Amino acid sequence: AQSVTQLDSQVPVFEEAPVELRCNYSSSVSVYLFWYVQYPNQGLQLLLKYLSGSTLVESINGFEAEFNKSQTSFHLRKPSVHISDTAEYFCAVSDVGNFGNEKLTFGTGTRLTIIP
Amino acid sequence: KAGVTQTPRYLIKTRGQQVTLSCSPISGHRSVSWYQQTPGQGLQFLFEYFSETQRNKGNFPGRFSGRQFSNSRSEMNVSTLELGDSALYLCASSLPPRLAGRNSYEQYFGPGTRLTVT
Repeated sequence: AQSVTQLDSQVPVFEEAPVELRCNYSSSVSVYLFWYVQYPNQGLQLLLKYLSGSTLVESINGFEAEFNKSQTSFHLRKPSVHISDTAEYFCAVSDVGNFGNEKLTFGTGTRLTIIP
Repeated sequence: KAGVTQTPRYLIKTRGQQVTLSCSPISGHRSVSWYQQTPGQGLQFLFEYFSETQRNKGNFPGRFSGRQFSNSRSEMNVSTLELGDSALYLCASSLPPRLAGRNSYEQYFGPGTRLTVT
């Protein structure tokens, strides 16, 4: 069984300040890792993913996340946030290589609020 | 390319009734997954269909069922609705990794159907 822990349910940050959203996972098998973002009244959008290779992955809008196998973490960071980053962020995992591996296990989400 | 569409967007039902929600995946996507999102339980996997076959199922009672048609459109049905079924129901579609290339293992979500049970 897999589980994902997002310790911070809410994170308020001043505009242009850095932010880190924490994600830890537990799994008995190798996993793929994802960050999804949900804006109000919308579905989820993929922000970035880690499948293999370089442990640091980046998104087109300035977010990055680093896979740390020893700490089973996949924290999301941005050096300078913008008002438009206000949203809920979900960390998720799925099993590596299983047929029908589309099942995602999500964390409980972190609501990021940017303060002007 | 059009995104994942879900209909209806909003629905109000009475306890004991049944409901059917529809999901049209992105053209060419053959896998459709369903998730339930509630404030208390968060995002929970319901089931996943590929080529009209259920490949994976979450831990939900038998009142929750689904199916997929030959054009990859999917429906989910909830019978004997309970107050606790009030939620945002999201569907997501994806391509098999061998076809997705650099977009492997990415799921594309629709806007959801918000179901309210009174």
